[in-house]
Amino acid sequence: DTGVSQNPRHKITKRGQNVTFRCDPISEHNRLYWYRQTLGQGPEFLTYFQNEAQLEKSRLLSDRFSAERPKGSFSTLEIQRTEQGDSAMYLCASSRGTAGTNEQYFGPGTRLTVT
Amino acid sequence: QKEVEQDPGPLSVPEGAIVSLNCTYSNSAFQYFMWYRQYSRKGPELLMYTYSSGNKEDGRFTAQVDKSSKYISLFIRDSQPSDSATYLCAMSDNAGGTSYGKLTFGQGTILTVHP
Repeated sequence: DTGVSQNPRHKITKRGQNVTFRCDPISEHNRLYWYRQTLGQGPEFLTYFQNEAQLEKSRLLSDRFSAERPKGSFSTLEIQRTEQGDSAMYLCASSRGTAGTNEQYFGPGTRLTVT
Repeated sequence: QKEVEQDPGPLSVPEGAIVSLNCTYSNSAFQYFMWYRQYSRKGPELLMYTYSSGNKEDGRFTAQVDKSSKYISLFIRDSQPSDSATYLCAMSDNAGGTSYGKLTFGQGTILTVHP
């Protein structure tokens, strides 16, 4: 298996701009998760897809955030009207979705800096 | 109070030492327990994965889960400078349930193994 990939790896944007991140999960993994990690903290859950269906969103995901997973393959996370508080590492993870397991494999992350 | 508590350290040990890392949690529904290793500015790497209570060993790493005490541990034997990283504990309830297997992380423990 190739691992989870994320693009871009780094993004610097000005406050108020829109940004979009992409995640390509491990092939045949039907579960995909987005997390956000700030400096010195563990990752925090943002949203979850099973195939193409977005089944859960954290209250951390404000109206400015939207995520998609068309056709149940790659996923995108868009942030509109970015704020300085959005600066963080955005991590994507995928898992096979086999009953009774929950091993999640993470990508390298996209580091967002909002100036 | 956070659902998962982890001492952030930092922890500094000499090469060859046995390292003990720990997390406590409050949610009795957690069933899946994981340890991730994260190098600076990289994504978390899955190290150990256990289900319910018990021990699991993989090379120099041993994971222990005590659900009655809501306490999990990771032991690293014969620690090496290459083990220097942040170690994150993570856990979830039934991945088939309404939480969809989202992971709740500890804050992470920064470990330095010096030669």
